[in-house]
Parts: sequence; structure tokens; C-alpha cells
Amino acid sequence: EDQVTQSPEALRLQEGESSSLNCSYTVSGLRGLFWYRQDPGKGPEFLFTLYSAGEEKEKERLKATLTKKESFLHITAPKPEDSATYLCAVRTYYGQNFVFGPGTRLSVLP
Amino acid sequence: DAGVTQSPTHLIKTRGQQVTLRCSPKSGHDTVSWYQQALGQGPQFIFQYYEEEERQRGNFPDRFSGHQFPNYSSELNVNALLLGDSALYLCASSSVGGTNNEQFFGPGTRLTVL
Repeated sequence: EDQVTQSPEALRLQEGESSSLNCSYTVSGLRGLFWYRQDPGKGPEFLFTLYSAGEEKEKERLKATLTKKESFLHITAPKPEDSATYLCAVRTYYGQNFVFGPGTRLSVLP
Repeated sequence: DAGVTQSPTHLIKTRGQQVTLRCSPKSGHDTVSWYQQALGQGPQFIFQYYEEEERQRGNFPDRFSGHQFPNYSSELNVNALLLGDSALYLCASSSVGGTNNEQFFGPGTRLTVL
């Protein structure tokens, strides 16, 4: 069974304090790994897609990386507006759906 | 370019009632997926529609049903509502012919069952 776990469950950072979020996955035939940002009561907002081990994507203060078993979302010098839940999802070659992890709740304090 | 839209925004129902949620996909997209997200959890896949047919289904009972219209919009129907059906219902659209496999989500419908 395809599984996605994320750690930590919650993370509190001071503004400017860099850190990383982890997404570990167990799937048969990874077609893509996706990162989303979700604000409370809103739908997930697409951030990145990663397809193969070694791939990296960057957007402003965020950088996503992928290995054969996990992905990291690195946040450099975060600001309070980066506070949100960050969701990781995978898609396999034999399924049409995304399997989501439970998310990491990030709080960035001024 | 309008993104994915969903209606209504919020809904309150009582146990045993039936509910219909609606979704219009992003322009150019032909596939609609529905997810249920309980508080504090990640979205759980309900089903996906393409070419007006259910293409794949997650582990949800038959009380959950759907439909896709020729204009690619979709409905999610839930019968005999239970308290446990209270959640944020998310619609995501994508394109079968697209190369990036991404799904784009709407703002969701918050369903409360009393």
C-alpha cells in the first residue's frame, strides 16, 4: 500500500531561522512527488513537482529536493507569511489519484 | 483565467440528509478529482472523473457518488449523511493530456453535519 508520512507534525520558527520539512514515501513506481501549501480553511496551493531522485526546484524562499525514499522542503530565512500547512503528495504510475501525507504545520514568529 | 471554483462555500446539514457539492475545473482541464479532508489531516481521495465516467475510486462507501457533465464540471453527492462526513471537500482539476501531472485545487466546501 502506498504511504506518505511527514515530519515534524508541527514546527515553530523565528523569522529568519531556516529549517527543513521531511516527506517520506513508500510507493511502487513513483510518477511524481508534489508539494502544496495550505492556509487554514482554504484549498491546497501548488508549489512544486519533482520526478526523479536528485531533482531540485526553487521558488522564493523554498527549495524542494527528492531522493529515492524522501523529499525535503527547505525554507530559507522564513517570514511570518510563510506560516501554513505544507502537504506532500505522491502519484504512482498505476493510479490516477494523489496520496497525501498528513502535513506539517509551520508557524513563523516575527 | 479562472481557477477551480466550488460551490457552496459552506453547508450545514443534519444526519440522514443528502447533499450535492459542485465544481468547475480550471480552463483547459478535463479531469476532476474529489477529496475529503478532515480537520488536521491530509486530503483523502474519493474518486476521479474523466469523459463523464468514474475513472478511479478511493476507499469510500457507495453513499458517495458523483457525476461529470459535458462541460467537464462535476458534482459530488453524499447520501444518508453521518456526523463523520463533516469535513472540507476539495475538488481538483487536471488535464489528461498535460505533461506535468499536477492537480490544481479549488477553495473547498466546508460541510458540517449536525
